[in-house]
Amino acid sequence: AQSVTQPDIHITVSEGASLELRCNYSYGATPYLFWYVQSPGQGLQLLLKYFSGDTLVQGIKGFEAEFKRSQSSFNLRKPSVHWSDAAEYFCAVGAREKLTFGTGTRLTIIP
Amino acid sequence: DTAVSQTPKYLVTQMGNDKSIKCEQNLGHDTMYWYKQDSKKFLKIMFSYNNKELIINETVPNRFSPKSPDKAHLNLHINSLELGDSAVYFCASSQGSGQGKGEQYFGPGTRLTVT
Repeated sequence: AQSVTQPDIHITVSEGASLELRCNYSYGATPYLFWYVQSPGQGLQLLLKYFSGDTLVQGIKGFEAEFKRSQSSFNLRKPSVHWSDAAEYFCAVGAREKLTFGTGTRLTIIP
Repeated sequence: DTAVSQTPKYLVTQMGNDKSIKCEQNLGHDTMYWYKQDSKKFLKIMFSYNNKELIINETVPNRFSPKSPDKAHLNLHINSLELGDSAVYFCASSQGSGQGKGEQYFGPGTRLTVT
């Protein structure tokens, strides 16, 4: 069965600093990979997705992610964070008719 | 023009009661889902329906029964509520078969508190 690991439970960065959130997956074939963001009290919003092709994918709000098959990783990056980026971030792998989510990384932004 | 809507947003009830949560999507999608998010933010799929047909039924107590009257609606009925049912329940939808590929659109969630 597929699984997703987000090793960082909580990350704090300064506004304007760069960000990288880690995601590792386990799946026997080429997975479909997603990053979602959940603001406090809100539902999940899709940031970006990878199905095939170019391993560097661009998403909304200035986020990007890179698929590295050799490392089974799909890390999320942003060059300069804004206070509004404070939220919970979920990596997910899609396979066998369902999405499996990681446990999430909570991002705190300090001024 | 809400894409995926859920009612109610908050639900507080006592143990042993029966309650329902409703979900509607206006995206024209043919697949809908219910997820449970626990207090630690862990998100786990409960059910999935494709064109009103149940296709995913994870290990969920029989007290939970989804119903899909049409492909735009997926309701969740919970019997004999227990304290452990307290969570946020999210509805989602996507288009096409192979739901692992189709990006899912989530509703705002229903926070259920059982006292």
